[in-house]
Amino acid sequence: QQQVKQSPQSLIVQKGGIPIINCAYENTAFDYFPWYQQFPGKGPALLIAIRPDVSEKKEGRFTISFNKSAKQFSLHIMDSQPGDSATYFCAARRAAGNKLTFGGGTRVLVKP
Amino acid sequence: ETGVTQSPTHLIKTRGQQVTLRCSSQSGHNTVSWYQQALGQGPQFIFQYYREEENGRGNFPPRFSGLQFPNYSSELNVNALELDDSALYLCASSARGPYNEQFFGPGTRLTVL
Repeated sequence: QQQVKQSPQSLIVQKGGIPIINCAYENTAFDYFPWYQQFPGKGPALLIAIRPDVSEKKEGRFTISFNKSAKQFSLHIMDSQPGDSATYFCAARRAAGNKLTFGGGTRVLVKP
Repeated sequence: ETGVTQSPTHLIKTRGQQVTLRCSSQSGHNTVSWYQQALGQGPQFIFQYYREEENGRGNFPPRFSGLQFPNYSSELNVNALELDDSALYLCASSARGPYNEQFFGPGTRLTVL
């Protein structure tokens, strides 16, 4: 059962564009939603995370928008750069446990 | 501060064999989680260890087993390897707590022929 659905699978934008990645979850027990960035040959690295009592969070050029009623959240990469080209994963976790449930990933390519 | 390290980097095994993967957690972290990442997919939770005991398990068969040592390092053992076990195996360490970040290692790429 895929508890976190992520879209699109891939995305191509020009430098300076704003890639937007969307995720939807089913389990209302989730209360912590991190985003990870993964480069080829590397493990995932935490970018930014949000809790459901907040509707938006910004860290540098990365912004999470959260819609608790719709059980959806999204990542925006502002002023994207070629160095942002990577695979991005949304995830969800219950506070009671430490298990991360990941989405399927979005491969982002930022063209110069 | 030393990050999460994993060994080996790459491994090739044949079907039916057994494999052991190793993980050293980040300094100060007492919890280790293992994930399997098939090509083109998101990581899938295998299990977690805390204080040398299994503390949660995902939907993986018993031939996937693990250990955690007093220094918080960990091993993942897979018996009777199958072709579908080919994947990147990721270890993540964290401090105990509901919102503590998990720091991932670079992974071990396992290929089963």
